[in-house]
Amino acid sequence: AQSVTQLGSHVSVSEGALVLLRCNYSSSVPPYLFWYVQYPNQGLQLLLKYTTGATLVKGINGFEAEFKKSETSFHLTKPSAHMSDAAEYFCAVSGGANNLFFGTGTRLTVIP
Amino acid sequence: KAGVTQTPRYLIKTRGQQVTLSCSPISGHRSVSWYQQTPGQGLQFLFEYFSETQRNKGNFPGRFSGRQFSNSRSEMNVSTLELGDSALYLCASSLDSSSRDTQYFGPGTRLTVL
Repeated sequence: AQSVTQLGSHVSVSEGALVLLRCNYSSSVPPYLFWYVQYPNQGLQLLLKYTTGATLVKGINGFEAEFKKSETSFHLTKPSAHMSDAAEYFCAVSGGANNLFFGTGTRLTVIP
Repeated sequence: KAGVTQTPRYLIKTRGQQVTLSCSPISGHRSVSWYQQTPGQGLQFLFEYFSETQRNKGNFPGRFSGRQFSNSRSEMNVSTLELGDSALYLCASSLDSSSRDTQYFGPGTRLTVL
C-alpha cells in the first residue's frame, strides 16, 4: 500500500525566501514520487517526478526535490520564492498500479 | 499538442439525478484516470481505463462508473447523486498504464449537488 503525508497544510514565506514543503511517503514497492501544483480553479500541473536514477530531481519554475530512501522523504524546495508561486502543492506516490495516492496538500502563501 | 479537456466545466444537479462527465486525453495517450477532489477527503482515485478496459478501481460505491472508447476518450457516470458527491472531478491521461508514467490533468468538472 502507498500513502503520503504532507507536514503543514499552510506555509507562508516572504518573497525571495527559501521554500520548503515537506513530504513523507510509505510504499510497499519501490515508489515513484511526484509533486504537482494547483492554482485556483485549475487542474494539477506536474512540477517534477522521481522514478529511478539521480535522487536530486529538478523541475519547472526553479523547484527541485530530493528522494531520500532512508528518511522516506521527498521534500520540495525552491531557493527564492516568487509571488507567482502562491498555490497549493500536492505530493503523490505511485507504485505497482497506475494510480496516484496524494497527500492532503500544502497551501503556499508568498508575502511581498 | 492540446492538453486534457473536460466537459462540462461546471454542473449543477439535484439529489437523485445522474450525471455524465467527459474527458478527452492528450493525443496518443491511451490511459485515462479519474480522481475526485473534495475539501474533506482531498484527492482520491476513482478508476483507470486503458484500451477500453478498467485496469484499477478506487474505493468508491458502484454508483460511480466509467467507460473508455476506442479513441481513448472517457466518460464517468454517477447515478443517484448524493450531496456528498459535490466535488471537483479531475481526469488525467498518460501514455501508457505504467505507474512511472506522468499523469497530465485536465481542468476538472466542478459538480454541485443540491
